[in-house]
Amino acid sequence: DAKTTQPPSMDCAEGRAANLPCNHSTISGNEYVYWYRQIHSQGPQYIIHGLKNNETNEMASLIITEDRKSSTLILPHATLRDTAVYYCIVRAKAAGNKLTFGGGTRVLVKP
Amino acid sequence: KAGVTQTPRYLIKTRGQQVTLSCSPISGHRSVSWYQQTPGQGLQFLFEYFSETQRNKGNFPGRFSGRQFSNSRSEMNVSTLELGDSALYLCASSLEGQGGETQYFGPGTRLLVL
Repeated sequence: DAKTTQPPSMDCAEGRAANLPCNHSTISGNEYVYWYRQIHSQGPQYIIHGLKNNETNEMASLIITEDRKSSTLILPHATLRDTAVYYCIVRAKAAGNKLTFGGGTRVLVKP
Repeated sequence: KAGVTQTPRYLIKTRGQQVTLSCSPISGHRSVSWYQQTPGQGLQFLFEYFSETQRNKGNFPGRFSGRQFSNSRSEMNVSTLELGDSALYLCASSLEGQGGETQYFGPGTRLLVL
């Protein structure tokens, strides 16, 4: 699976949009971009994933660049409960359920 | 639908003992994966089971093993426990374990080895 690079930490103001970048410059055509988050000591929570197109669900939006070498997770209106570590993961389409987690981005939402 | 459940949630063992952790996947999910999370190494993949067969394996010693039952429930076992095995052990399930699927995680079992 391709390696991802994320900033180690970022702060965000409550009520504002949080834009979390992820670089995956070695991604190949059959690899998906996944985002998970982990709130302190809980199991990771799925947020969103995409292959080529931008995706939106009730939690967030995922913007993937045209060359697919980077993506941005957007939390439209951050709340204090969004404080967590956010992981960007690239995962192949082939069978097998292995997720390779990097260090993630520690997001602190401030009032 | 009930989520992924793991038992027990907390466990204390001493060095040299063995431990068995249990995971019940979401109903209908056939792929179960296990992960270890420690402050130093982060989240690391242990292994994946699908249809009672180990399909993927991470870089862990043979002391770590697992199995999956016909109802897709899975157990992992760690023998001859070491202090470094203290960690949060996470289980995740998905339908078939294919690339476009979503993998859902359980709350984890926190193991402390004394």
